[in-house]
Amino acid sequence: GQNIDQPTEMTATEGAIVQINCTYQTSGFNGLFWYQQHAGEAPTFLSYNVLDGLEEKGRFSSFLSRSKGYSYLLLKELQMKDSASYLCAVKDSNYQLIWGAGTKLIIKP
Amino acid sequence: GAVVSQHPSRVICKSGTSVKIECRSLDFQATTMFWYRQFPKKSLMLMATSNEGSKATYEQGVEKDKFLINHASLTLSTLTVTSAHPEDSSFYICSVTANTEAFFGQGTRLTVV
Repeated sequence: GQNIDQPTEMTATEGAIVQINCTYQTSGFNGLFWYQQHAGEAPTFLSYNVLDGLEEKGRFSSFLSRSKGYSYLLLKELQMKDSASYLCAVKDSNYQLIWGAGTKLIIKP
Repeated sequence: GAVVSQHPSRVICKSGTSVKIECRSLDFQATTMFWYRQFPKKSLMLMATSNEGSKATYEQGVEKDKFLINHASLTLSTLTVTSAHPEDSSFYICSVTANTEAFFGQGTRLTVV
């Protein structure tokens, strides 16, 4: 079966750095996405990785290792507004998005 | 990117009634739109793929007669929850894909009482 695992919840301090991990087992791979979702709202796009390595975009970076079926989202200089759920999603061989359950990130002052 | 507008954002309906949710792609012609459902603290679950001018493709376990999908134009897809029951209460989200990225509507919070 297809499976995406990420921690259920993480807590970090304002101004600090946090890394959210995602491991996946899917039938084929056509890219990995990270989305941010605030409570009661639709997800918003953060990053896309299809090749191994690190993609940096401002305070957010995303890393992919296809051989390990592993990705992480790195958030730097955390702000209170970063409190949200972070969803990892993989496009499988049918180009269908398979979603992780999301990691709820709590930022404390 | 693509701008996706979903309406209504919230709806409360009585058990047994039907509710229609609209999803519009405002600046992108979408031959395909996706409908997701998300229960509290759960992942997004794909319900069906809406295809312009043809029948929708439903995921296993999703009742096509209960969740009617119409994709009559390249900019509009509708999801109708028929004979709604309290267990249908959920967050429904539509999306379109443009250049590998998925763009989402604002979501519809459906509460069936």
